Amino acid sequence: DAKTTQPNSMESNEEEPVHLPCNHSTISGTDYIHWYRQLPSQGPEYVIHGLTSNVNNRMASLAIAEDRKSSTLILHRATLRDAAVYYCILRDREYGNKLVFGAGTILRVKS
Amino acid sequence: EAQVTQNPRYLITVTGKKLTVTCSQNMNHEYMSWYRQDPGLGLRQIYYSMNVEVTDKGDVPEGYKVSRKEKRNFPLILESPSPNQTSLYFCASSPRSGFANTEAFFGQGTRLTVV
Repeated sequence: DAKTTQPNSMESNEEEPVHLPCNHSTISGTDYIHWYRQLPSQGPEYVIHGLTSNVNNRMASLAIAEDRKSSTLILHRATLRDAAVYYCILRDREYGNKLVFGAGTILRVKS
Repeated sequence: EAQVTQNPRYLITVTGKKLTVTCSQNMNHEYMSWYRQDPGLGLRQIYYSMNVEVTDKGDVPEGYKVSRKEKRNFPLILESPSPNQTSLYFCASSPRSGFANTEAFFGQGTRLTVV
């Protein structure tokens, strides 16, 4: 499985945008970039995914570098409820469903 | 409401006493899997199932069994639990087996303590 690298932790102020980076320099052409988050005492929750183009949904935006070696999850206005561990995961198109979780980034949101 | 339901949420048991953690999804998903989460080790896959009657080992299958007799259910069985199986367990499902372009849904977790 291709590896991702994320900062251990980040801090944000409430109502401000948050940019969570992820490096994946060994990404293959068939890997999808997925983001999940895990709120305290809950199961992981899907946030967004993409292959080559930037993606937007109601939760967040995903910006993918042109060479696909890095990506950034963007929360447009952080709320206290966004405090969680965020995982950047590569999913091989061939092997599909397996999710390989790293340590993720702990996001703290200050009021 | 689309969901993955695990039961029980909390369980304390003794070494060697067989137990089953149930997992059910109401989304007609093909793929289901079990993960355990431990401090410093993150989430690791135990077993997965691509469809009814099709199961396979994940990364940490020792000491666990699973079955997939119906599409909606994927129970995790610990035949003889040991203290090193004390962990937080998550069941997950996703729509189509073999596809990376899908979203996975997770249950709320089962916190198991084996004494």
